[in-house]
Amino acid sequence: NAGVTQTPKFQVLKTGQSMTLQCAQDMNHNSMYWYRQDPGMGLRLIYYSASEGTTDKGEVPNGYNVSRLNKREFSLRLESAAPSQTSVYFCASSVTGESYEQYFGPGTRLTVT
Amino acid sequence: AQTVTQSQPEMSVQEAETVTLSCTYDTSESNYYLFWYKQPPSRQMILVIRQEAYKQQNATENRFSVNFQKAAKSFSLKISDSQLGDTAMYFCAFMSSNFGNEKLTFGTGTRLTIIP
Repeated sequence: NAGVTQTPKFQVLKTGQSMTLQCAQDMNHNSMYWYRQDPGMGLRLIYYSASEGTTDKGEVPNGYNVSRLNKREFSLRLESAAPSQTSVYFCASSVTGESYEQYFGPGTRLTVT
Repeated sequence: AQTVTQSQPEMSVQEAETVTLSCTYDTSESNYYLFWYKQPPSRQMILVIRQEAYKQQNATENRFSVNFQKAAKSFSLKISDSQLGDTAMYFCAFMSSNFGNEKLTFGTGTRLTIIP
C-alpha cells in the first residue's frame, strides 16, 4: 500500500496563477483532510470531507476550493494564488469513527511569488 | 473552539537522557482524543502516541509515554533513552470524539534536538 500520496511535491506559482494539489489514498478511508503548515503556527485545517460527496470548511478555507472526486481522491484548488498562500500543504485520511488516527501524505511545498 | 498550547518552542537534550515536552489544551468536551505527532526533517507526519480522555491509564509506546492530567488539561510527552533519530518537531493535537467531527487541532510545535 502506498498510503496517502500527494502531487506535486514542490511548486512555484506567480501571484494570480491557479493550480490544483492532488491527493489520493489507497486505505479505503472515508474521511480526508487538507491542512496547511506555516512556520510557528502548526498545522491548520483548510477543508475536510467526511465521506464521498461531502465537504466542509475548516479553520482557514478562504482562497481555496476542494473536490472529493471519489472515495480515494481529494483535491485542493487555488483559483488565484496569493503570496499569503505560500505554505506546506498536507493531505490526510482516516476511517470515520475508528481509531481516530489520521494518516498523512508527504506534503507539497508551495511558493507564491 | 478547542485550543492547544505548546509553550516550549525549542528543546535540546543529550543522547540517552530523558526529556519531557509539555502540552496544555482547552475544551468544554468531556470525551476526546489527544495525540503526539512527530515531524522529522523529511517532513512526514508520524503518529507517536494516542490517548483517549475516558481512559485514566497513561498511554505508552516503547520509549514514549504520556502524563495525562484531565482535570488540569495537560498532556505531556516523555521520551526515555533519547536517540538521535528522535530529533524532530513534535506536535500535540486534540480531536473531538463526536462522530463525523474528527478534525485535528494542533499546537505550534516543539523543536527537539538530540545532542550526540
